[in-house]
Amino acid sequence: GAVVSQHPSRVICKSGTSVKIECRSLDFQATTMFWYRQFPKKSLMLMATSNEGSKATYEQGVEKDKFLINHASLTLSTLTVTSAHPEDSSFYICSARDYGRGSTDTQYFGPGTRLTVL
Amino acid sequence: SQQGEEDPQALSIQEGENATMNCSYKTSINNLQWYRQNSGRGLVHLILIRSNEREKHSGRLRVTLDTSKKSSSLLITASRAADTASYFCATRGTSGSRLTFGEGTQLTVNP
Repeated sequence: GAVVSQHPSRVICKSGTSVKIECRSLDFQATTMFWYRQFPKKSLMLMATSNEGSKATYEQGVEKDKFLINHASLTLSTLTVTSAHPEDSSFYICSARDYGRGSTDTQYFGPGTRLTVL
Repeated sequence: SQQGEEDPQALSIQEGENATMNCSYKTSINNLQWYRQNSGRGLVHLILIRSNEREKHSGRLRVTLDTSKKSSSLLITASRAADTASYFCATRGTSGSRLTFGEGTQLTVNP
């Protein structure tokens, strides 16, 4: 299946700093990417939908100035957590839809990034 | 209200037994998908069933969909210890592009 990578896989930062997480589709072009947040033993919560070349669409309750999303190319989307606080500590997962593979509606998920804010 | 609620929340079985997980949803869907997540990892797509389909098979997986009851079930036959993971159902609505996840079922297969 298609591969989506994330970098870094794990990051620890100090409160007040900013952290950038990269999401790449490795063997397909992803016009749409999604960013999710997952708390321990909980489900995935959609944070925003990222469209290549345009502004991201944020879900209700997600601060767009805190979680900056840039989808500058068909294979790369970035999530920047600005002025991170301990409550931002979470597992962040990106996903991409591959519209090119026949009629499949599969979303491919990255391996996730564990963010810990001290 | 929660779209995509799995039942049970946790399931523990012996290797070789079958595991059945259920998912209920509230709004109309285009399709329903099941994903697997190993602890601390990303999600792996298992199977997709469209709203006009009632049953689908893939290897040891069998998925059913009852749109009149707005429910789906995932059956894993002849389970293995390696099947231990969290399983999520996710629905794709008829109008939007978003995929909405349920709370998940934690499956433990004991060797």
